[in-house]
Amino acid sequence: GAGVSQSPRYKVAKRGQDVALRCDPISGHVSLFWYQQALGQGPEFLTYFQNEAQLDKSGLPSDRFFAERPEGSVSTLKIQRTQQEDSAVYLCASSFSGQGRYGYTFGSGTRLTVV
Amino acid sequence: DQQVKQNSPSLSVQEGRISILNCDYTNSMFDYFLWYKKYPAEGPTFLISISSIKDKNEDGRFTVFLNKSAKHLSLHIVPSQPGDSAVYFCAASGPFTGNQFYFGTGTSLTVIP
Repeated sequence: GAGVSQSPRYKVAKRGQDVALRCDPISGHVSLFWYQQALGQGPEFLTYFQNEAQLDKSGLPSDRFFAERPEGSVSTLKIQRTQQEDSAVYLCASSFSGQGRYGYTFGSGTRLTVV
Repeated sequence: DQQVKQNSPSLSVQEGRISILNCDYTNSMFDYFLWYKKYPAEGPTFLISISSIKDKNEDGRFTVFLNKSAKHLSLHIVPSQPGDSAVYFCAASGPFTGNQFYFGTGTSLTVIP
């Protein structure tokens, strides 16, 4: 597609439920990033993929968070046993180059609300 | 520890006037800076960037200024238009940041017609 596509746009989860958030990057983009944006804050880095390899997961807040990109295109961010503090907008971004240092294209995000 | 700070949560400017959005950073090793613009319910979109080897970069109505000694950058929008009303984030990266950007908390700009 022309842009980065994320689904669902909105997700309401009961505390303790597992969720899966999907990202379709721009076709041919090597790098894929996940960011978390809490209310009133800027985006914060979660993890980075180059093709199918997860090269940096230093921003994942706990072992309840897991991301994968098995074929080097679509990525899924999974959150197990969701908690209220997980409520945020989850942004996916992709870039053509192998390094994201010079900026990337964001999707519209998935707004997760844990109740 | 917030390494990139935008101390003004909001700014209102009259249409046609200049908008100045400010951003401060703490780590002198940052060497590349971006401004993103975000409308409600949309993802951030890239606006303009600047490398630390420059002190100014201009693109149409948008100019970014970088003061390395003060660890400060600013975005100037001239003239401001109602369609510029959005949240603006500055972001920084450096050789030590890997592939991530550090973002500020954003400034909400309202341009009054």
